[in-house]
Amino acid sequence: SQQGEEDPQALSIQEGENATMNCSYKTSINNLQWYRQNSGRGLVHLILIRSNEREKHSGRLRVTLDTSKKSSSLLITASRAADTASYFCATDVLEGAQKLVFGQGTRLTINP
Amino acid sequence: SQTIHQWPATLVQPVGSPLSLECTVEGTSNPNLYWYRQAAGRGLQLLFYSIGIDQISSEVPQNLSASRPQDRQFILSSKKLLLSDSGFYLCASRQTRNEKLFFGSGTQLSVL
Repeated sequence: SQQGEEDPQALSIQEGENATMNCSYKTSINNLQWYRQNSGRGLVHLILIRSNEREKHSGRLRVTLDTSKKSSSLLITASRAADTASYFCATDVLEGAQKLVFGQGTRLTINP
Repeated sequence: SQTIHQWPATLVQPVGSPLSLECTVEGTSNPNLYWYRQAAGRGLQLLFYSIGIDQISSEVPQNLSASRPQDRQFILSSKKLLLSDSGFYLCASRQTRNEKLFFGSGTQLSVL
């Protein structure tokens, strides 16, 4: 079953604007990760935020985590056409198997 | 960092034919290995994961099986393909839980 659910499913904005994607999950986690996928390619890791962290930055990326609401957000600032891709959140569950469970993803389109 | 080799990039197979997809990993030892499947425009479904040689966990009952005959080799197989086995298959690796995944470039399988 899917652990993470992204919102919105698709997002289209103008170059230079900020893009925000949200992720909700169901069970307790060790960490939450965000990945990017260009069409027809493998996924690339963007950022990992641990359950005891609330915010993390990497370049133009900002990730927040609210464990009380079981939700996370990914903000891409000053978007570029090259940011066009699908973005997925994934959760490392707290107990049990060593698996990373992915959501359905957000398809982001940056219009030049 | 790790490099994931996955082949072939595309594969067209008739219904009822066998399947063997191979994934090999460079740059690490004793990794956790994963097979995911992705339907067009959808998220990743975890199929199998392995924490060691001959240690395979199946996530979803299906027409597929996985084997790990060597430390850095992970094989996805089927004796008889179904139409529903079509999809984009991704192999991934990480050193241990709570770390990021490295992905291969994927195999697009079309069963006709």
